Amino acid sequence: AQKITQTQPGMFVQEKEAVTLDCTYDTSDPSYGLFWYKQPSSGEMIFLIYQGSYDQQNATEGRYSLNFQKARKSANLVISASQLGDSAMYFCAMREGRNFNKFYFGSGTKLNVKP
Amino acid sequence: DVKVTQSSRYLVKRTGEKVFLECVQDMDHENMFWYRQDPGLGLRLIYFSYDVKMKEKGDIPEGYSVSREKKERFSLILESASTNQTSMYLCASSFFGRGGETQYFGPGTRLLVL
Repeated sequence: AQKITQTQPGMFVQEKEAVTLDCTYDTSDPSYGLFWYKQPSSGEMIFLIYQGSYDQQNATEGRYSLNFQKARKSANLVISASQLGDSAMYFCAMREGRNFNKFYFGSGTKLNVKP
Repeated sequence: DVKVTQSSRYLVKRTGEKVFLECVQDMDHENMFWYRQDPGLGLRLIYFSYDVKMKEKGDIPEGYSVSREKKERFSLILESASTNQTSMYLCASSFFGRGGETQYFGPGTRLLVL
């Protein structure tokens, strides 16, 4: 089974609107971490947000929030008030394992923000 | 500003050569990582280190080794480069704070093995 599933290969959103990027994960480990990254066309990888499996509250970081639904194994990224500079690939990832040495990346969602 | 630097942006090597990729971070982070990114395969963890001289294998350690003699520097070594190691290599460092883990990436090294 896929450890990380991102079902939206591409998405469009109007500037200033909110957008949700989907991510589901699969693990039987009680301790894990979930990540979202942004990769613009220039190629650099930018960490956006982290959610620990024991965190009770959804993580937020500026315009980014992670909608963590543990029972559904879902970790969707919500970007509020989209900007043109948000156009990029977005990757969901999970770390698990005894020493947190198992790392799984999703296939990514390409977000295009329209003016 | 946190800075993670990698020794080269582009590198061309021949099969069989020993290759060193260097990564330096300036924020005293405990954790450092090496990933490779390939089209269709995404980002994969090669090794990480949670302290000086400590290392953990990631998902694809074969053909690679690492060295962390100083906290700020994490080196990835390709003992005998092969064409299937042609890839984009990304280094990262991280720390655990109140909000959980925060990671910072270097600009990447695009390695071509001929």
